[in-house]
Amino acid sequence: AQSVTQLDSHVSVSEGTPVLLRCNYSSSYSPSLFWYVQHPNKGLQLLLKYTSAATLVKGINGFEAEFKKSETSFHLTKPSAHMSDAAEYFCVVSEKENNNDMRFGAGTRLTVKP
Amino acid sequence: DAGVIQSPRHEVTEMGQEVTLRCKPISGHNSLFWYRQTMMRGLELLIYFNNNVPIDDSGMPEDRFSAKMPNASFSTLKIQPSEPRDSAVYFCASSAIPGTSGPFLGYNEQFFGPGTRLTVL
Repeated sequence: AQSVTQLDSHVSVSEGTPVLLRCNYSSSYSPSLFWYVQHPNKGLQLLLKYTSAATLVKGINGFEAEFKKSETSFHLTKPSAHMSDAAEYFCVVSEKENNNDMRFGAGTRLTVKP
Repeated sequence: DAGVIQSPRHEVTEMGQEVTLRCKPISGHNSLFWYRQTMMRGLELLIYFNNNVPIDDSGMPEDRFSAKMPNASFSTLKIQPSEPRDSAVYFCASSAIPGTSGPFLGYNEQFFGPGTRLTVL
């Protein structure tokens, strides 16, 4: 079965500096990969998704992620952090061959300092 | 579309009471998922349905939990009897199975509802 490991439970950056949230996945098939964001006391919102098209995926709010099969990674990046980016971020893997089951990582809490 | 609708948004109940959480998926979606989120355990998949049929309920904690999907537009998650350790935020999500026709062809991301915050005293 597929699984996801988010390597950092908490990342802290200063406003205006780059953001890197790391994610490694395990999958028996060609996976679909997603990043979701959850702001405090809110539901989950899709940031971006990879579904076997371009390996560099651009999402909302200036975020992007690169699918690297050789490294089994799907790290999330943003060139310049904004205060409003402070939230919990979840990396997710899905296999359509596995009944469309999605597996969530444990989450990375991003803190942005002024 | 209004998105995934969950009710109630907040529920406070006493230990031993029955709790029913409700979800209306996005019209046209044929997969529905129930999740539980706590500080201790993070986001856990409880159960999911494809075309109203339960596919995987291995995440359901114990027999006190049950879920139904009587039709394509409605699902319930029931806890009977409830216990304080059930306190959590419960999310419902829906998606379209890849390969189906229409605007969701090839995509299988899940769309989440706002969640129900359950407190069991």
